[in-house]
Amino acid sequence: GAGVSQTPSNKVTEKGKYVELRCDPISGHTALYWYRQSLGQGPEFLIYFQGTGAADDSGLPNDRFFAVRPEGSVSTLKIQRTERGDSAVYLCASSPTRTGLLPEQYFGPGTRLTVT
Amino acid sequence: GNSVTQMEGPVTLSEEAFLTINCTYTATGYPSLFWYVQYPGEGLQLLLKATKADDKGSNKGFEATYRKETTSFHLEKGSVQVSDSAVYFCALVPSYNQGGKLIFGQGTELSVKP
Repeated sequence: GAGVSQTPSNKVTEKGKYVELRCDPISGHTALYWYRQSLGQGPEFLIYFQGTGAADDSGLPNDRFFAVRPEGSVSTLKIQRTERGDSAVYLCASSPTRTGLLPEQYFGPGTRLTVT
Repeated sequence: GNSVTQMEGPVTLSEEAFLTINCTYTATGYPSLFWYVQYPGEGLQLLLKATKADDKGSNKGFEATYRKETTSFHLEKGSVQVSDSAVYFCALVPSYNQGGKLIFGQGTELSVKP
């Protein structure tokens, strides 16, 4: 079946511009995660959705970052007034919710954001 | 706080060599531990996991044992292949009630030569 998809695969933008990154999770997965991976580093958690609501947004670095998941499926990560330090690969993952188990997270291929 | 530390790479081995990638963690409570792998040009994939002390996770010839006394989860494989060349990430989930967010180490690149 289809995995997690992310669009665009690459995004180049100028400093100060606004960008949106999209994530399509695996159908039926209720949990959705955003991570950011800088060059040579492991992914860093940004935000976690359970259904439509953000259950944990403690990883968002500042108020320029915002994410939504209005219908409990597709999610959009929005970055305002981009800075060169925002350049990274943005990863999305989804997982089913199973009571009593820690479900596997399935990762998308990522969006490489470059801020010039 | 919660953190994961991995041995630095790159690690270069010959085919059929023994592999160890060290991973230690700091966490409150009882974390679950994971190894993820990122093959060239592909997304992150779960390799193996262990959810409690002394559990051994295994997959594709790789193994790792959850050692609470040494706060470690070292990855091992007895005989590596060229196809194992990838970046390996150790990760933890601090506790089940925190929604499953993963905390990753910095990754260790493995290169296996024929």
